[in-house]
Amino acid sequence: KAGVTQTPRYLIKTRGQQVTLSCSPISGHRSVSWYQQTPGQGLQFLFEYFSETQRNKGNFPGRFSGRQFSNSRSEMNVSTLELGDSALYLCASSLDRVSLYSPLHFGNGTRLTVT
Amino acid sequence: GENVEQHPSTLSVQEGDSAVIKCTYSDSASNYFPWYKQELGKRPQLIIDIRSNVGEKKDQRIAVTLNKTAKHFSLHITETQPEDSAVYFCAASDSGGSNYKLTFGKGTLLTVNP
Repeated sequence: KAGVTQTPRYLIKTRGQQVTLSCSPISGHRSVSWYQQTPGQGLQFLFEYFSETQRNKGNFPGRFSGRQFSNSRSEMNVSTLELGDSALYLCASSLDRVSLYSPLHFGNGTRLTVT
Repeated sequence: GENVEQHPSTLSVQEGDSAVIKCTYSDSASNYFPWYKQELGKRPQLIIDIRSNVGEKKDQRIAVTLNKTAKHFSLHITETQPEDSAVYFCAASDSGGSNYKLTFGKGTLLTVNP
């Protein structure tokens, strides 16, 4: 089975712009969650999508949004980019809802740099 | 919400020694505790997990222990090897209710010196 695929791998954007990141989960996985990884802060939960519905959201501003399509692929959008948004954004898929003892399978991430 | 504290933030050991990483959690309802390993430049990968109805779980050189009363759990790596060098993340999750999510610790950078 193919793993979780995230595109693009690298992005350089300017403050004020917006960006869309894409995630294709493992075939058959219905849950997709997104995490922001920055040095010293670990993995911070952004949101989880299951059956095209956002099921949970972390403590991030409304500039961060996402969606999930009927084939379970997910996109994450960040509007009005700020310098502090520079980070590695990781997508993870799981067979079932996050934390129903269902392991997360991570993608390689999208490295976003905001200048 | 859940809060997970992880210690130490960095750990350096000699090859062959043991390494222990500790995590505490705040939500007594949490009942699933996975550990992820992230090698430099790579994706995090699950290495072991434990449910709240189990006190200890082993898989070859790694083991995880859970103390529900004290709300802490630990990762133990024995006979460490250079390939164990990575960042390790603990996490806690509540499988009850509808507000599912995994809360991660901030990570421990383990360096195994040959």
